Amino acid sequence: GAGVSQSPSNKVTEKGKDVELRCDPISGHTALYWYRQSLGQGLEFLIYFQGNSAPDKSGLPSDRFSAERTGGSVSTLTIQRTQQEDSAVYLCASSLERGGLDEQFFGPGTRLTVL
Amino acid sequence: AQKVTQAQTEISVVEKEDVTLDCVYETRDTTYYLFWYKQPPSGELVFLIRRNSFDEQNEISGRYSWNFQKSTSSFNFTITASQVVDSAVYFCALSEAYYGGSQGNLIFGKGTKLSVKP
Repeated sequence: GAGVSQSPSNKVTEKGKDVELRCDPISGHTALYWYRQSLGQGLEFLIYFQGNSAPDKSGLPSDRFSAERTGGSVSTLTIQRTQQEDSAVYLCASSLERGGLDEQFFGPGTRLTVL
Repeated sequence: AQKVTQAQTEISVVEKEDVTLDCVYETRDTTYYLFWYKQPPSGELVFLIRRNSFDEQNEISGRYSWNFQKSTSSFNFTITASQVVDSAVYFCALSEAYYGGSQGNLIFGKGTKLSVKP
């Protein structure tokens, strides 16, 4: 079966523009996670979805970041008014149930470059 | 506070050498899970192992072995007879129990870059 897919694989944008990053989890996986990987900060957790609900959005770095998940499947991470410090690789992971109890399978990531 | 420390930033070995990657964690939970992931140059994170806090048995999988010691809060990873294909960044991660308020997200160490030279 297919793994976690993410699109686009690369995104270059100008400072101040909005971007949308997409994640398609493994079919049947109820838990979905977004992480960010950057040189300075390493791998940081952003947000978790159980089904379509995100119980805690405090991991999002600023109010310019938002995320949603529909149909218990596809998720989009939106960054408004992008800044250069948003440049990073955005990783999505899914697991059958909430992480810990189950392995998290990672997608290939979206490399975001903000000029 | 939860934290994972991988003190070794980079390690370079020659093929066939054994190498141990260190991982030390901090958590207040009594129930937690520890992971190792491999990130080859291609960039995708590959799951290697998961252990729960109640199982301190060491594990061996081919050339890979893991040593979990709660007394020292360590979960070290050893590659025996390293190969060039083992070159990658290796991440140790912690996940706490959901009923402790955790969302089950992974808390990663900074990673250890392993270079295996022929």
